[in-house]
Amino acid sequence: DQQVKQNSPSLSVQEGRISILNCDYTNSMFDYFLWYKKYPAEGPTFLISISSIKDKNEDGRFTVFLNKSAKHLSLHIVPSQPGDSAVYFCAASANAGNNRKLIWGLGTSLAVNP
Amino acid sequence: DAGITQSPRYKITETGRQVTLMCHQTWSHSYMFWYRQDLGHGLRLIYYSAAADITDKGEVPDGYVVSRSKTENFPLTLESATRSQTSVYFCASSDRSGPLAKNIQYFGAGTRLSVL
Repeated sequence: DQQVKQNSPSLSVQEGRISILNCDYTNSMFDYFLWYKKYPAEGPTFLISISSIKDKNEDGRFTVFLNKSAKHLSLHIVPSQPGDSAVYFCAASANAGNNRKLIWGLGTSLAVNP
Repeated sequence: DAGITQSPRYKITETGRQVTLMCHQTWSHSYMFWYRQDLGHGLRLIYYSAAADITDKGEVPDGYVVSRSKTENFPLTLESATRSQTSVYFCASSDRSGPLAKNIQYFGAGTRLSVL
């Protein structure tokens, strides 16, 4: 049973447009959410995160929105650039127990076309 | 080099052989993790460690052994490799902080293992 779901395996957008990547979760104990970006033949790299006490976090072109009632978060990339083409993973954690484990979605492959 | 490094980057072995994948981090992070990535499964946790000499199973531990005698090293051993263990393996580390800590994990570049 997947606790973190990324229902779109792939997404294609035009350069300069907005990319919206979605993530749903089922465990109400999750209190911290992270987005990672992964290029081929490299490890995932941390992109942006949000605590459950917030509903928005922004870092440059990247904004993450959290809707706790819907158990849904989204990553907005504006404007999208060809270098953003990568696989994006959503991950969640529950700090209770303090084991630092992350629960991962399956990823969404983003292609930004020039 | 600072950061987290995995070796080897690529490995081909035969079924039944023992293989050890190495992971070394220079940050003195308390937590370390081993994942495997397969098509359709995303990242699956194999084992993790909260500190030296403390390890625990993840989601898919069968067929794997880990040890952590030093904080900076977390080797993963496949005792008798099987074809189903063909995968890309990632090591990650995370710092110990308070209850509202950002559980950011930092990843190595991965090891691509093929078991023939």
